[in-house]
Amino acid sequence: NAGVTQTPKFRVLKTGQSMTLLCAQDMNHEYMYWYRQDPGMGLRLIHYSVGEGTTAKGEVPDGYNVSRLKKQNFLLGLESAAPSQTSVYFCASTQRRGGETQYFGPGTRLLVL
Amino acid sequence: GQNIDQPTEMTATEGAIVQINCTYQTSGFNGLFWYQQHAGEAPTFLSYNVLDGLEEKGRFSSFLSRSKGYSYLLLKELQMKDSASYLCAVRNTGGFKTIFGAGTRLFVKA
Repeated sequence: NAGVTQTPKFRVLKTGQSMTLLCAQDMNHEYMYWYRQDPGMGLRLIHYSVGEGTTAKGEVPDGYNVSRLKKQNFLLGLESAAPSQTSVYFCASTQRRGGETQYFGPGTRLLVL
Repeated sequence: GQNIDQPTEMTATEGAIVQINCTYQTSGFNGLFWYQQHAGEAPTFLSYNVLDGLEEKGRFSSFLSRSKGYSYLLLKELQMKDSASYLCAVRNTGGFKTIFGAGTRLFVKA
């Protein structure tokens, strides 16, 4: 049971380039989330999904798009990367919206030059 | 608005007890979580409170007062490996979203 995995672990982009971050979970969780974490700030929600085929905006969705075509996968896309998107990105999943904790992936470190 | 406040840094001695406070103002409440995050790693779950009172789990305890918008995490018998950031997080009423505080960096010294 791998839990939550993220690909890639680290990436360097030039301004204007695009990329997709992949999150996969093997726990059959319904809800999945993408967060970014910056120094001195808490985890901020970018987008989330409450089930296959559904997505919704979080606190800081601008500049990002997501897709949840399969229940186990949640993709985060950057169409035109900007230096302000330099951050550590965490994916998380949870079974339901009650007392169940979120399980986090190991993170993706993204540097945009 | 929504806001979660916790101290930026704390230092404590190995073997001692430390209390990390968290105050929150959110548009709704459906539970409070504490996570531990070591440098360069992902957050991991420590505790969950949805009703007022103290939840104890080994060396870690968490307290909640919903009327005061206040929680604390109590770490006993501190070990060097407890040096990490501790994140306070509140789940909103709908249950879909969780708001995180900026975290408290705890340094445990010998």
